[in-house]
Amino acid sequence: EPEVTQTPSHQVTQMGQEVILRCVPISNHLYFYWYRQILGQKVEFLVSFYNNEISEKSEIFDDQFSVERPDGSNFTLKIRSTKLEDSAMYFCASRGDREDYTFGSGTRLTVV
Amino acid sequence: LAKTTQPISMDSYEGQEVNITCSHNNIATNDYITWYQQFPSQGPRFIIQGYKTKVTNEVASLFIPADRKSSTLSLPRVSLSDTAVYYCLVGDVGAAGNKLTFGGGTRVLVKP
Repeated sequence: EPEVTQTPSHQVTQMGQEVILRCVPISNHLYFYWYRQILGQKVEFLVSFYNNEISEKSEIFDDQFSVERPDGSNFTLKIRSTKLEDSAMYFCASRGDREDYTFGSGTRLTVV
Repeated sequence: LAKTTQPISMDSYEGQEVNITCSHNNIATNDYITWYQQFPSQGPRFIIQGYKTKVTNEVASLFIPADRKSSTLSLPRVSLSDTAVYYCLVGDVGAAGNKLTFGGGTRVLVKP
């Protein structure tokens, strides 16, 4: 069964540092997403990406966040200057046209 | 997006059937009902989706009454490994981008 692959599984970073979370979506999928889940809270939408551009973003996705699909296979989420409150599980997801979402297993980001 | 209401938690025992009912009173004509499962520290996983009546797959059944204002996820003969959070989501599958809006879900604990 095709999978969405995320790396690293766990990232520890110091406050103020930049982090890049990486995702390899399912190859024939068209829509790409990032979600996050702070410990004990709901899964929250961050951003959706289609046709090489952001199609929608939430209030959480401020100027510190950016996404990129640099080479047609990877999909990355960059946080420029991490804050303590950015600590969360970050999930990448992809879907094809009228298909279901497939989520990755997540990257646990810990900002210290 | 239609708002959903589901119980916060449910306890069950191995071998029993678990039924989780979700209310979605303002479901729209184009909306489908989708259920996801999430294990700790993992991404949500698609379980089942339906529009009306009954849908069954190898994992679960989904019962949707004629007015579509609620739905019931049925997990037959649960095992310990079915302990997870189950989310009911309602939305237009075909809408481009189509972010998922997660509620708090139902935390199901299967006891031996």
